[in-house]
Amino acid sequence: TQLLEQSPQFLSIQEGENLTVYCNSSSVFSSLQWYRQEPGEGPVLLVTVVTGGEVKKLKRLTFQFGDARKDSSLHITAAQPGDTGLYLCAEPYNTDKLIFGTGTRLQVFP
Amino acid sequence: GAGVSQTPSNKVTEKGKYVELRCDPISGHTALYWYRQSLGQGPEFLIYFQGTGAADDSGLPNDRFFAVRPEGSVSTLKIQRTERGDSAVYLCASSPGPRDEQYFGPGTRLTVT
Repeated sequence: TQLLEQSPQFLSIQEGENLTVYCNSSSVFSSLQWYRQEPGEGPVLLVTVVTGGEVKKLKRLTFQFGDARKDSSLHITAAQPGDTGLYLCAEPYNTDKLIFGTGTRLQVFP
Repeated sequence: GAGVSQTPSNKVTEKGKYVELRCDPISGHTALYWYRQSLGQGPEFLIYFQGTGAADDSGLPNDRFFAVRPEGSVSTLKIQRTERGDSAVYLCASSPGPRDEQYFGPGTRLTVT
């Protein structure tokens, strides 16, 4: 089972700023998912990337999958307080479980 | 429709006691998963059910942890002789099938004093 490392661990920014968070592994991902988790709630799936070099957009969020499928990034444009939460990357493993990264905790101040 | 529900939302127990945590999955979902999330960490896989059977219990930390899903719907995670290190949020997720999107419940926060 591979280890998924996310950076930065914490991020505190003002509303309107842009940010990027990263998910890295020493091994090749079969596919990669990004989740957002708000306090007191479970993670909610944002996107799944499968193909190396793939870029997906979800409103102000842009997800990239590295060409070698060993890294991924999430870029948020013009962050809003509603973007506050814990961002997790995860790899589906052996069809029956998700291996989660260490998480990036984002706080966006008005 | 109703999402995944978990009860209780919070549980405080004394070291050495036995606890049961319940998960009600989305109706019709055959796959059910338990994860444990410690403070400031990502969730860690515990066990996966396909129907009534535990298809993968490789994440259970030791034999104090046990889970059942007798009728292929509701699942109960059971922890015997609780230890302070068991304190965490226990998350349940369900999906229509094993490769499908997992939908998470809000979790049960377990505190062992």
